[in-house]
Amino acid sequence: DQQVKQNSPSLSVQEGRISILNCDYTNSMFDYFLWYKKYPAEGPTFLISISSIKDKNEDGRFTVFLNKSAKHLSLHIVPSQPGDSAVYFCAANSRTQGGSEKLVFGKGTKLTVNP
Amino acid sequence: GAVVSQHPSRVICKSGTSVKIECRSLDFQATTMFWYRQFPKQSLMLMATSNEGSKATYEQGVEKDKFLINHASLTLSTLTVTSAHPEDSSFYICSASADYNSPLHFGNGTRLTVT
Repeated sequence: DQQVKQNSPSLSVQEGRISILNCDYTNSMFDYFLWYKKYPAEGPTFLISISSIKDKNEDGRFTVFLNKSAKHLSLHIVPSQPGDSAVYFCAANSRTQGGSEKLVFGKGTKLTVNP
Repeated sequence: GAVVSQHPSRVICKSGTSVKIECRSLDFQATTMFWYRQFPKQSLMLMATSNEGSKATYEQGVEKDKFLINHASLTLSTLTVTSAHPEDSSFYICSASADYNSPLHFGNGTRLTVT
């Protein structure tokens, strides 16, 4: 059973427009959520996170929105740039029995920003 | 910022040999490191949680005798793929965090090809 779902495997937008990447989750015990960006043949890099007690976090062109009642979060990129083209992973954090973190990832959404 | 170094970035080995992958946190101490495997077109799959000074905790379905994990210090964890087979060919990524409230930082990954 997939706890973190990114239902859109790909998204294509024009440069300068808004990119909206969506993510749904099923486990109400997740305590924070993260977005990672991954270029081909590289490891994912942390982009932005949001605690479960907030509904919005903004960092430059990137804003993450969290709707706990709907168990939904989204990443907005405004304005989109060609260099934003990558695979974006949504991740949710839960604690293992030992108290350490465990990330649960979605399958990723490939964003293509066209010049 | 925090950096996690993973080495080697690429390795090709013959079937039946063993391969060691290193994961180092360069500017912070990581009590816990995680090892992931990425399959084509799929998200990262958590293989095991590596705790400094103790045995690793393996996820269900991951063979602990095949994927040996050693976390000898607060800055180094190693994954050894023993008696590698072509089906072990994959992209392996490690991650680490300084503490429970910090995001996970990922290494750049290791592309393993077993011929």
